[in-house]
Amino acid sequence: DVVMTQSPLSLPVTLGQPASISCRSSQSLVYSDGNTYLNWFQQRPGQSPRRLIYKVSNRDSGVPDRFSGSGSGTDFTLKISRVEADDVGFYYCMQATHWPPAFGQGTKLEIK
Amino acid sequence: EVQLAESGGGLVQPGGSLRLSCAASGITFKTYYMNWVRQAPGEGLVWVSRIKNDGSGTSYADSVKGRFTISRDNATNTLYLQMNSLTAEDTAVYYCVRDASLGYWGQGTLVTVSS
Repeated sequence: DVVMTQSPLSLPVTLGQPASISCRSSQSLVYSDGNTYLNWFQQRPGQSPRRLIYKVSNRDSGVPDRFSGSGSGTDFTLKISRVEADDVGFYYCMQATHWPPAFGQGTKLEIK
Repeated sequence: EVQLAESGGGLVQPGGSLRLSCAASGITFKTYYMNWVRQAPGEGLVWVSRIKNDGSGTSYADSVKGRFTISRDNATNTLYLQMNSLTAEDTAVYYCVRDASLGYWGQGTLVTVSS
C-alpha cells in the first residue's frame, strides 16, 4: 500500500504569515491516464473534513485563493499565502491513484 | 445544496452489529461512487469502503473486509454500511463521502463499541 507522509505534524503560524505543508508518497502518484490524484482536505475543530484541492492544484469551489497546491510525482505541497484565524485545524493529504486510497497523518495548524 | 446525512450510530457491545445509513439530497445520487471514511477519536482519517454508482462493485479496507458490507439504494438516494463483529478498534465517527475524490462529506455519525 502507498504510504503518505506529511510534515510538519504541528505548524504554529503567526496571523498574516505564510504556511506550507509537505506531503510525500511512497510511490509516484501519476496514474495511467496521466493525472495525479492527490487531494488536500481541511478539518476545522468540531467539523467534518472539507476538500480544498483536487488533482494536486485545483481549488474546490469556495476555497480562497490564499490556498494553493503544487508538486508532482511523490512530493506535494499545500501553501497558505496569509494565514487567517479561520484556517486553524488539521490538514490532510490523500492519494487516490493507487488502491486503497490513503491519507497522510494530518498536520495541525495553530496560531502562535 | 448538497446534503449527506448519516444516521444509525450509537453504542454497541463488542461482537455486535450496527447499520449506518446516509441520506443524500441535492445531488444526482445514482451518478456518484460513494464512500465511507472513519475517524477514531483524536486520530486521522481512514478510508473504509467504496461502492460504484450502480452498486455493481464494492471495495473494502483490509481492516473491515469480511465484516462490513456497503450497499446503496438509488431509488431512495441512500447509502448503507452494515457492520458486523464489531470491536473496540471500530469505534469512530463514520463519514459518508461523495465520489472517488472524496469531494463532499457528511457530518458523520459516532459509533462506540464498548461493553
